[in-house]
Amino acid sequence: GAVVSQHPSWVICKSGTSVKIECRSLDFQATTMFWYRQFPKQSLMLMATSNEGSKATYEQGVEKDKFLINHASLTLSTLTVTSAHPEDSSFYICSARGEKYGYTFGSGTRLTVV
Amino acid sequence: GEDVEQSLFLSVREGDSSVINCTYTDSSSTYLYWYKQEPGAGLQLLTYIFSNMDMKQDQRLTVLLNKKDKHLSLRIADTQTGDSAIYFCAETRDSNYQLIWGAGTKLIIKP
Repeated sequence: GAVVSQHPSWVICKSGTSVKIECRSLDFQATTMFWYRQFPKQSLMLMATSNEGSKATYEQGVEKDKFLINHASLTLSTLTVTSAHPEDSSFYICSARGEKYGYTFGSGTRLTVV
Repeated sequence: GEDVEQSLFLSVREGDSSVINCTYTDSSSTYLYWYKQEPGAGLQLLTYIFSNMDMKQDQRLTVLLNKKDKHLSLRIADTQTGDSAIYFCAETRDSNYQLIWGAGTKLIIKP
């Protein structure tokens, strides 16, 4: 079946630094990638949707200069949290949609900013 | 493997009950979740069940967990057109809250 590999699974960084999260579709081409953020025991909040080769579409209230999304190829999308602060600590998860499969999710990244 | 499997489609008549099934492989699962995704929207957490529970009910939703068979189901009573969505099951098995997801079941409501 379709697999999305998301790395790192957890990361701790200092306030003010940037963190990059990668999602790779391993055996299919992800035409669309979704990035979500989740607070404990709450719903996943859609941050942005990106199509390969074009700029991401951000949801209202999501700072595009802070959460940089790159979807340069059909198998790789990255989310960079720039100048991270403690309030950015959260669980980030990607989801890829290809032509044949349903939605395939990465296993998530737990970000802790100290 | 670490699979969570669910059927891709389910079609039911309005007013009937919908039962969406999910199977998982890892017996060390701690929490199991059901999420709903409506068209154009993000994922909404519907309910979750801890692995030491057999059943959880919340209004029209009933979650059944058969730990022996590693089978999770979501029953929606009196299905309405507003229930049309894709339903994802997911499990987590450690304190890092890493989630293992099913591919989603699209619930289609027939009038």
